[in-house]
This record gives sequence, structure tokens and C-alpha cells, in this order.
Amino acid sequence: KAGVTQTPRYLIKTRGQQVTLSCSPISGHRSVSWYQQTPGQGLQFLFEYFSETQRNKGNFPGRFSGRQFSNSRSEMNVSTLELGDSALYLCASSLGQGFFHYGYTFGSGTRLTVV
Amino acid sequence: GQQLNQSPQSMFIQEGEDVSMNCTSSSIFNTWLWYKQDPGEGPVLLIALYKAGELTSNGRLTAQFGITRKDSFLNISASIPSDVGIYFCAGQLRSGANSKLTFGKGITLSVRP
Repeated sequence: KAGVTQTPRYLIKTRGQQVTLSCSPISGHRSVSWYQQTPGQGLQFLFEYFSETQRNKGNFPGRFSGRQFSNSRSEMNVSTLELGDSALYLCASSLGQGFFHYGYTFGSGTRLTVV
Repeated sequence: GQQLNQSPQSMFIQEGEDVSMNCTSSSIFNTWLWYKQDPGEGPVLLIALYKAGELTSNGRLTAQFGITRKDSFLNISASIPSDVGIYFCAGQLRSGANSKLTFGKGITLSVRP
């Protein structure tokens, strides 16, 4: 069974630009969460989507947004990029609410570098 | 945001040795998870714990859910070179629609052959 697929794997953007990252969850998984990983802050929760609805949001500015499609695929968008947005962005999928017993399965991440 | 406490940041052990890692929190969780991350990859789930006091094994790995629900530990026995990586603990408080994971900053494990 295919795992969580994140595209692209690597991305270089300039300050002020915007970026869209994509995540395809494991087939049958309806919940997708996004995390930002940096050496200084570790893994920080961005948001979680279930059935196309944002169910939970972390403490990130409004420049960070996301959405989920009817096929459970998710995208996250960062507008007006800042140097500090350079990070590994990880997507994790799970069966969804009521099915917590399998934890989350992470993708390999998108490495975003802002120059 | 809230984070779990994992220390030390790095551990260096000899191949064949056992190693224990601890994770503590000021808040309670009703699920504890342990993940391992290899360079350039996402974290991979090692063990999940769902009840206070639960002790679970997965091969050479053993983890326990603390009875106060504020801590967990992971033991790796008879370490091998492929155990090298970053080990994260994560707590989850399942409450209604809230199921986000709170992570520790991770412990980088090095294994000397």
C-alpha cells in the first residue's frame, strides 16, 4: 500500500513569494495534518484537516493556510515567504477522528529553502 | 507552543549496549507515541501507548506509558548501527475534534561500532 506522498521534495523560493505544497495521504485515510520542522523549534503543528474541514490549527500566522479536497489530498500554502519559513514541512495522515489507534504516518516531507 | 521535554539532545553509545530515553510533560496525555527519523525522511512510528502504565515491546524496543500520564520512556536493547537517528516522543490528548500531536525536540542517537 502506498505511503504518504509529498511533492515536491525540495523547493527554493525567494522572500516575498508564495508556495504551495501537496500531500496525498494513504488510501482510506481521511485526516491530514501538517507540521513544520526546524532545528531550533523542532516539530510544530500547523493544522489538521478531516473531511475537507480544518479541525485544528496551530500557532502560526495567517500567511500559512491549507485545504483538503474531497479525495483527502491536501495542500498547504505559505504567502509572502520569509527567511524563517525555511524548514522541512511534513504531512501526516491517519484514519481520522475516532480512529486514533494507529498514530500518524508521515510523508518524507518537502524541504523549503527561502533565499 | 507546548513541547515535551527530551534530554539529553544527543546520546553516544557502543554497539550492543542498551539505551533508555525519557520524555516528560507538564500536561497529561492519553496517548504517547515514539517515532524515529532518519536523515531526509519523515518520522516513522515505532511504538504507540494508549493506557497509563502500559508497557509495550516492538522487537528490541520497549516503551512505557507513565502512570501519571505525564511521562514515557523508550528502551532500546542490544543497539545496532542502524539504530542511529533522531528519536522523538509525542503526546496526544484526544479530546473531541482535537487530536494534534505535541512533540519533544528529539534525541540524536549515535552508535559506535
